[in-house]
Amino acid sequence: GENVEQHPSTLSVQEGDSAVIKCTYSDSASNYFPWYKQELGKRPQLIIDIRSNVGEKKDQRIAVTLNKTAKHFSLHITETQPEDSAVYFCAASGVRGNNRLAFGKGNQVVVIP
Amino acid sequence: DVKVTQSSRYLVKRTGEKVFLECVQDMDHENMFWYRQDPGLGLRLIYFSYDVKMKEKGDIPEGYSVSREKKERFSLILESASTNQTSMYLCASNAGTNYGYTFGSGTRLTVV
Repeated sequence: GENVEQHPSTLSVQEGDSAVIKCTYSDSASNYFPWYKQELGKRPQLIIDIRSNVGEKKDQRIAVTLNKTAKHFSLHITETQPEDSAVYFCAASGVRGNNRLAFGKGNQVVVIP
Repeated sequence: DVKVTQSSRYLVKRTGEKVFLECVQDMDHENMFWYRQDPGLGLRLIYFSYDVKMKEKGDIPEGYSVSREKKERFSLILESASTNQTSMYLCASNAGTNYGYTFGSGTRLTVV
């Protein structure tokens, strides 16, 4: 099945700087790549997603890029703010996965004021 | 907004008890999922369901079963609770292939 890996596991950034989290996946048939944000004590929430027919998608301060050849996708957060501090999960799914999302283990982002 | 509601936020159960975790979604989603979340291990899929009365094992089904008698409700059952099942349990649903999940608020289960 699909295997998704996330790096780095913890990321600390100064407020106002950019943060980048990278994920790699194993199944070349995967075609949907969402990102979730989980604040402490809360549910994971979908913040952005990308499908394989698109190379980049942006929504205000967050963006996701996809490189299908290299089988990796990245979350970019610009002008980070303290409320961006959370655990971020990447995921991938495709036909072979029967619609199941395979999640990475999560990345703790800490924004230092 | 889709709502996924889990019946309990916190539960404490004794070893050997049969435990039911309930999840209800209100958007007529076909697919429903049960995950457990443990520090350092991320989100691990226990069971999922594509339709009423249909279920498939996820990555860690041992010690669990599920029931989906109605489209909106997906129940996770711990047949005989053990201390290693102490965890956060998250239910999710989605509308179909290549749609994001909506998660419930989670149930933190402690087995003593």
